[in-house]
Amino acid sequence: ETGVTQSPTHLIKTRGQQVTLRCSSQSGHNTVSWYQQALGQGPQFIFQYYREEENGRGNFPPRFSGLQFPNYSSELNVNALELDDSALYLCASSLNRGGAAYEQYFGPGTRLTVT
Amino acid sequence: KQEVTQIPAALSVPEGENLVLNCSFTDSAIYNLQWFRQDPGKGLTSLLLIQSSQREQTSGRLNASLDKSSGRSTLYIAASQPGDSATYLCAVRPTGANSKLTFGKGITLSVRP
Repeated sequence: ETGVTQSPTHLIKTRGQQVTLRCSSQSGHNTVSWYQQALGQGPQFIFQYYREEENGRGNFPPRFSGLQFPNYSSELNVNALELDDSALYLCASSLNRGGAAYEQYFGPGTRLTVT
Repeated sequence: KQEVTQIPAALSVPEGENLVLNCSFTDSAIYNLQWFRQDPGKGLTSLLLIQSSQREQTSGRLNASLDKSSGRSTLYIAASQPGDSATYLCAVRPTGANSKLTFGKGITLSVRP
């Protein structure tokens, strides 16, 4: 059984650029959640995808967007990068079945630095 | 709005000590509570998950308790070791199909040899 994987591991971008982060969910999972963790803080929920649709969103602006693919993998896109977007981005996958959502399993994260 | 608090932010103890990490939350309408470990710059490793109907969970030297009515959870670590040094985060999941987790800021534990 393959766990949650994320790519790339590290990324450096310039303010104003756009970035795409990728996540492959654990085998058998159909739901992906994204979190942003700034230095010294707990992870903050960005959004969740289920059946290729956004299924809940945290307090993040529209320049944070995402996709989920038929194989349940997911992308997080951030446009017009700002310095405050520098953080560890965590992806978590879980199984949502019959309206019940099960435990989330986290990937290793992508460290984004915006200069 | 759910808020999760973990105090203190950092803790340093000598090896072998038994210790308790605290977590409090403001909304008792939770589905479950989870404790995670995070090593510097790494992802989250799930340690223990307690369903709202449960009072505690144990795994090896770790024991987590949940008192939903008072909005509190504790993570007990027995006979601490230097390898336990990490940041410990608690997170709560609300009732309903939404599986969004709300995290505390974590407690950074240092176990001195």
